[in-house]
Parts: sequence; C-alpha cells; structure tokens
Amino acid sequence: EDQVTQSPEALRLQEGESSSLNCSYTVSGLRGLFWYRQDPGKGPEFLFTLYSAGEEKEKERLKATLTKKESFLHITAPKPEDSATYLCAIQAGANNLFFGTGTRLTVIP
Amino acid sequence: GAVVSQHPSWVICKSGTSVKIECRSLDFQATTMFWYRQFPKQSLMLMATSNEGSKATYEQGVEKDKFLINHASLTLSTLTVTSAHPEDSSFYICSASVEPNTEAFFGQGTRLTVV
Repeated sequence: EDQVTQSPEALRLQEGESSSLNCSYTVSGLRGLFWYRQDPGKGPEFLFTLYSAGEEKEKERLKATLTKKESFLHITAPKPEDSATYLCAIQAGANNLFFGTGTRLTVIP
Repeated sequence: GAVVSQHPSWVICKSGTSVKIECRSLDFQATTMFWYRQFPKQSLMLMATSNEGSKATYEQGVEKDKFLINHASLTLSTLTVTSAHPEDSSFYICSASVEPNTEAFFGQGTRLTVV
C-alpha cells in the first residue's frame, strides 16, 4: 500500500535558522515525488518534482533531494514569508497524487 | 506555471441544498482533472478523477450520487455537492496537469460551509 509520512508535523524556526523537512514514502513504482507549499485557505503551490534517487532541485532558499526511501526539503536561512505548510506527494500508477499530512513551518522574525 | 482557476472561493449553503463548484484550466487543455477534499489540519484526499467526455472515477467511500462530476470540455470540470449536509463542510480543491505524469497545478480551493 502506498504511504507517505512527513515529519515533523510542525516546526518553528528563528529567521535565518536552517533546517530540513522529511518525507518518507513506500510505493510500488514511483513515477514522481512532488513538493508543494500551501498557505492557509489556499490551494497547494507547486515547488519541485523529483523522479529518481540522487536527484536534487533548488529554488531560492529551498532545495529538495530524493533517495529510494525518502525526500528532504532543505530550507536555508528561512524568512518569515517562508511560513506555510509544506506538502509532499507521490505519484505511482495513475496520474493522481497521494499526499502526506504536511509539515507546518513557522519562521519567527 | 499553468493556471487553474476555481470558483467560488467560498460558499455557505443551507442543509439539503446543492452547490456547484467550477474548475477551469485557463491556459491549457486538461483531459483529466482531479477533485480533492481537505479537512482542517489534514492532508488532501482524492475524491474522484474527472475525465473529459466520459464518466468520472470515484475513490472508495466517495458517493458518486452525492458528488456529481461533469467534465464537458477540455477546460472545465464541475463538482456538484447534492443535498449537502453539515458533514460535507470542507475545503474542496481541484487540480490538473498539462501533460500526464507531470506536476499538477491546483485551483485556489473552495471553502464549503453547510449550515
């Protein structure tokens, strides 16, 4: 059975304090792993797609990495505007996504 | 990235009435769109896959007669919540991809409150 587990559930960081969010997954036949950002009351905003172990992608203060069992979202020197819920999702067979429960990040000025 | 627009952003309706939510792909055509539901502090749960020109595919436990999906064109899918009850109150979100097996773009979501 496909499963996605994100940790921690919530994370509070001081502005400038770097950290990592974890997404562990089990799936038969991974087609892609996706990271999204979701602000309260809004739909998810696409960040990254990773397709194979060893792949890395960067965007501003964010970097996503992928292994055969997990993905990390590294946040370098975060700012208050990075506060959001970060969602990890996997795509296996069909075209739909299977989501984790997210990590709620709060960056304190 | 591609733009998916959802309307309305929020709606309040009386118990027993029906509510229609629209999902449009603004700058691309989408053969397939997806409808999700999200309860507070929980993740997105897939409700159904909307297929242009054919019947929607519903996930286990989702009542197809209650959540009517119509995908009449390549840019529009609608979700109608029929005979809504307070337990149907939730955040409904649609998504679509430009190409199969690529990133999905999401609408801004619709907050449904049934009173």
